[in-house]
Amino acid sequence: GAVVSQHPSWVICKSGTSVKIECRSLDFQATTMFWYRQFPKQSLMLMATSNEGSKATYEQGVEKDKFLINHASLTLSTLTVTSAHPEDSSFYICSAWDRSTYEQYFGPGTRLTVT
Amino acid sequence: GENVEQHPSTLSVQEGDSAVIKCTYSDSASNYFPWYKQELGKRPQLIIDIRSNVGEKKDQRIAVTLNKTAKHFSLHITETQPEDSAVYFCAARWSNFGNEKLTFGTGTRLTIIP
Repeated sequence: GAVVSQHPSWVICKSGTSVKIECRSLDFQATTMFWYRQFPKQSLMLMATSNEGSKATYEQGVEKDKFLINHASLTLSTLTVTSAHPEDSSFYICSAWDRSTYEQYFGPGTRLTVT
Repeated sequence: GENVEQHPSTLSVQEGDSAVIKCTYSDSASNYFPWYKQELGKRPQLIIDIRSNVGEKKDQRIAVTLNKTAKHFSLHITETQPEDSAVYFCAARWSNFGNEKLTFGTGTRLTIIP
């Protein structure tokens, strides 16, 4: 099946710093990617929908200036958590839509810990 | 927007017994209903899905049923095994091309007792 990777798989950063997470579709082109956040023992909450070459669409309650999303190519979307705080510590998962199969595939996730 | 409710939140069954997880959705326009299995610290894995033009779908020990009128769908796992222990999420989506957003249920932690 299609492969989606994320980098890094885990990251620890200090409060106030910024962290960039990459989501790549390795063997297909993804015009649409999705970013989710998952707190411990909770469900996946969609943060934003990222479309290649256009601005991301953020879900209600998600600060677009804090969670910067860039989808500059058909195989890469990035999520930058700016001025991170401990409450941003979470598991961030992306998914990518393969237009040849009409399916969405999840990345392995990135565990962010802000100290 | 779509709202998906999932029950129960936790479920323990004896190995070999069946497990049933139920979800309801709010948007009658939703037409695609996947189920995901997630192990601790891992990505969700699609285990089965159903579209609104089908009432039931089965894949070996796993089956999903859909009642469009009542707007609910269920996951059935038969002959459960220890490796079935995980968190299961249902989801719903209005799907035209497949790049529409998924709304997830709250999850069910399934424990198989050996």
